[in-house]
Parts: sequence; C-alpha cells; structure tokens
Amino acid sequence: GDSVTQMEGPVTLSEEAFLTINCTYTATGYPSLFWYVQYPGEGLQLLLKATKADDKGSNKGFEATYRKETTSFHLEKGSVQVSDSAVYFCALTKGAAGNKLTFGGGTRVLVKP
Amino acid sequence: DAGVTQSPTHLIKTRGQQVTLRCSPKSGHDTVSWYQQALGQGPQFIFQYYEEEERQRGNFPDRFSGHQFPNYSSELNVNALLLGDSALYLCASSPGGISYEQYFGPGTRLTVT
Repeated sequence: GDSVTQMEGPVTLSEEAFLTINCTYTATGYPSLFWYVQYPGEGLQLLLKATKADDKGSNKGFEATYRKETTSFHLEKGSVQVSDSAVYFCALTKGAAGNKLTFGGGTRVLVKP
Repeated sequence: DAGVTQSPTHLIKTRGQQVTLRCSPKSGHDTVSWYQQALGQGPQFIFQYYEEEERQRGNFPDRFSGHQFPNYSSELNVNALLLGDSALYLCASSPGGISYEQYFGPGTRLTVT
C-alpha cells in the first residue's frame, strides 16, 4: 500500500538557520502531496501542497517541490523563527481514493532563540 | 466562519467501556474523515463519511463505527475500549468531489485506563 517516510526528529535549530525535512513516498499512480503542521495542543493545519510532478508548493516562507523521479517532497525554509517550532507531517492522497490522507510519522522541530 | 469543531476536548474512560466522539464540519463541507493519532506518531485514517454513508475505511476493527447526520456532522463510536485506543482523535472535513484539501479540528484526547 501507499506509505510516507519522513526523517526522524527532533530537529533542533537556532533562529535564522536553514531547515530541511526530508520526505519520500511510495504510491501507485499520481498522488497529491502535502505538508501539514501541528503546533503544541492544536490540530493539523495545511502548510502547503503540490498536485503534480515538478509543482512547487509554498507558504509562510516554506517550500517543497514534488519530485516524481526521486519520489520526494522535501520541506525547506531559509530562515526559521522560534514560532516555527512544531511537528511537521508529510502526507499524500490520491484522487481515486477520495481524499484519504496517508501520513508520515512526523518530524518535531525545535527552534531556539 | 467556524472551522471544524470537536467535542469533548478530553475524555477518560475505562477498559471495556464505550465512547462517542462528535464532530461538526466546516461550513459548506459535506465529507467528514476520522483519524487516530497515537502519541508521537502520524495520524492513521479510520474512515470517511459522505452523504451519510461510509465511503472508505482504513485498517481498524469493527469496534470502531461511525455515523453522519443530515446536517453533515458526524460521530465516532468505539466499543470495548482497549488501552491501545488511547490517542488523539482528529476529525477532518472537506468538500466532496475534486477538492483534496482537508481541514482538521483540534481533536479529542481519549485516555483509556
């Protein structure tokens, strides 16, 4: 079946550092890919998405490019802030499945001042 | 515009008991999905409801059942609770059809003792 693999955390960074979180997927067909963020004590929020190969999703300074050749969707941010401390989840869905999301295990990011 | 709401926020139950969790979708959304998020893990898809019918189901036993009402709100029922059912239960809503974006509620934290 479909699956998503993320780098394990926690990832600890200093403010203004560069952040990369690796995500690879296994899926048949042409999935859509997502990054969700979960702040402490809250539910999931959609951060960005890409629906086809070579698409770049971006939001709040975060970017991720849908790479079909490497089945990857790595999340990057050039300069993190303390407020970016959260758990980040990579996920996929396929249109034929009707919105069912398959998530990775999550990567906790801690940004220190 | 209210987002996805869930009740209760927290719940403590004893093994063998039954529990009902509730979800109201975002305005204009007719599809409701439920996910289980164990501590330190990514959410796992339980099932999805559309037009008051279960449209898809993940790998969860029959102890997990649900319902969708004509106003699109939904309930998740879990019978014969096990310690392993302790988790954050997330509800997500989305428009039916081609849209892939799901909006998540804050979740219900269930503790089974």
